[in-house]
Amino acid sequence: EVQLLESGGGLVQPGGSLRLSCAASGFTFNSYAMNWVRQAPGKGLEWVSGMSGTALHTYYADSVKGRFTISRDSSKNTVYLQMNSLRAEDTAVYYCAKDVWETSPYYFDYWGQGTLVTVSS
Amino acid sequence: SSELTQPPSVSVSPGQTASITCTGDTLADKYVYWYQQKPGQSPVLVIYQDDKRRPGIPERFSGSNSGNTATLTISGTQAMDEADYHCQAWDSNTVVFGGGTKVTVI
Repeated sequence: EVQLLESGGGLVQPGGSLRLSCAASGFTFNSYAMNWVRQAPGKGLEWVSGMSGTALHTYYADSVKGRFTISRDSSKNTVYLQMNSLRAEDTAVYYCAKDVWETSPYYFDYWGQGTLVTVSS
Repeated sequence: SSELTQPPSVSVSPGQTASITCTGDTLADKYVYWYQQKPGQSPVLVIYQDDKRRPGIPERFSGSNSGNTATLTISGTQAMDEADYHCQAWDSNTVVFGGGTKVTVI
């Protein structure tokens, strides 16, 4: 059974940093791209970032490029999202999502339960 | 990157058909995916590659994609289908979502 468990969310001040983690199990981790998707309160879904299964390629939405960094550790079956220079508009539930493809973001067959990030002073 | 537009809400009576549209430039040239999200829950993939139902998804869910519009259809809508529905497409190594449609069964 595929499981994705996010952690690391919380309250952070504008300009601050936070690192999210997503522990994966139930599938061959290196064979699939992994992604982060966020949902602001009462809003729709927004794809944030993705990383290939081999960790050679990373992809970012324009809204976070230069501020967020995705990484993955195959020894721990975990994907991370380092978020710097946080803004109020980054406030959202952040979901970890498994891709159906290895190479690049495509579409998502499993999602985690989400972790809430609140950026506020 | 391309934009996808969905109506904010759709209302349907139990047993009737709900149609949720997703529009975007030359959308028929891309595959469209649909996710269901019930209140307080994570999204669940229901339709992939325009019209393929994920295993375990009831047959009352179907999809189509033509011209600039993709459509998710729920035939014989049940109360348990009340949820937000999000369309998604892939474009130039990025993922684009529509704004989501709230389906209310009344």
